[in-house]
Amino acid sequence: GIQVEQSPPDLILQEGANSTLRCNFSDSVNNLQWFHQNPWGQLINLFYIPSGTKQNGRLSATTVATERYSLLYISSSQTTDSGVYFCAPYMRFGAGTRLTVKP
Amino acid sequence: NAGVTQTPKFQVLKTGQSMTLQCAQDMNHNSMYWYRQDPGMGLRLIYYSASEGTTDKGEVPNGYNVSRLNKREFSLRLESAAPSQTSVYFCASRTSFGTDTQYFGPGTRLTVL
Repeated sequence: GIQVEQSPPDLILQEGANSTLRCNFSDSVNNLQWFHQNPWGQLINLFYIPSGTKQNGRLSATTVATERYSLLYISSSQTTDSGVYFCAPYMRFGAGTRLTVKP
Repeated sequence: NAGVTQTPKFQVLKTGQSMTLQCAQDMNHNSMYWYRQDPGMGLRLIYYSASEGTTDKGEVPNGYNVSRLNKREFSLRLESAAPSQTSVYFCASRTSFGTDTQYFGPGTRLTVL
């Protein structure tokens, strides 16, 4: 099956900083989502982005399907952004990036 | 709309006991999914139902069975629970298989002693 690699595994930021999370996947996909799992375990949809670029407030995502990677950008981070970020190409989840935003 | 609901929220079983996890969605979605999440890991797909009347194995189906009861409901059954099945179980749904956004329920935390 498809292999998914997310980097970095852990990220600590000061509030207000920007960050880029990366997701590499081994096969071509026409289906990719980014999720945020908050500290209470709830999974929140961020983007459905099989290709191209989308933006939603301080977050944006870009998927280059032909090169088999996706990026999630978080700008002006807030403490509420803390949690684990997962990419999921075609129902296969990566191990996630654990983000901690310090006040 | 309640979205995707799961029952129970928590459950403790003894090895060998059986139980059924319930999932329902009120978004008129065709596809439904069951995942498990072990500590510190991403989610792994157990079974899915691309449409009412069909079910298929995912990445880790051993020890589980599923039933797509109707368009709204998709249940997961553990016939003989094992400690290795201690996990958090998430149900999800989406409009159609392989397309669009997947929506998740709040999860069921299962401990097998």
